[in-house]
Amino acid sequence: EPEVTQTPSHQVTQMGQEVILRCVPISNHLYFYWYRQILGQKVEFLVSFYNNEISEKSEIFDDQFSVERPDGSNFTLKIRSTKLEDSAMYFCASSERAQYFGPGTRLTVL
Amino acid sequence: AQSVTQLGSHVSVSEGALVLLRCNYSSSVPPYLFWYVQYPNQGLQLLLKYTSAATLVKGINGFEAEFKKSETSFHLTKPSAHMSDAAEYFCAVRAEGSGGSNYKLTFGKGTLLTVNP
Repeated sequence: EPEVTQTPSHQVTQMGQEVILRCVPISNHLYFYWYRQILGQKVEFLVSFYNNEISEKSEIFDDQFSVERPDGSNFTLKIRSTKLEDSAMYFCASSERAQYFGPGTRLTVL
Repeated sequence: AQSVTQLGSHVSVSEGALVLLRCNYSSSVPPYLFWYVQYPNQGLQLLLKYTSAATLVKGINGFEAEFKKSETSFHLTKPSAHMSDAAEYFCAVRAEGSGGSNYKLTFGKGTLLTVNP
């Protein structure tokens, strides 16, 4: 069964550093998303991406964040200058009708 | 705007007992509704989805949910709990699209299910 994959599974970084989280969506899906889950809190929408452009972004998704689909398979989330409060689990998802989530990347900002 | 309320942040049942996890939604348009399960240190796995077809939806692992428009509810049930069902369960509603390209999910806060032997 096809699945969404994410790398790395865990990323530790220093505050102010740039991180890139990578995702490989399900191959025939057209819609892509990033969500995050701060420890103990609910899953929050960050951004949706369709037809090579952002279709919607949340208030969380400020200028420090960017997304890219550099080739036909990868979908990346970049955080330009990480802050302590960016520490969270980041989930990538792709969809036709229902969204299928990857296993997540746990980002720890020190 | 859409929203989801999950009543009960923690539900504890005995093995073999009925599981009932409650979800109420708010949506200005006919919603699509989803239940996801998250096992410890894992991602979100789709359990089942309601997409305006049958109101009683069957999912994986013996779970089912019934869409009740009059009650704006989409409660998740399983007749007999198993130890392996212990996990966190999230109800989610799909936001209305703009030009068909935006299907962001709005999640509830989750319900942690504990199954006692």
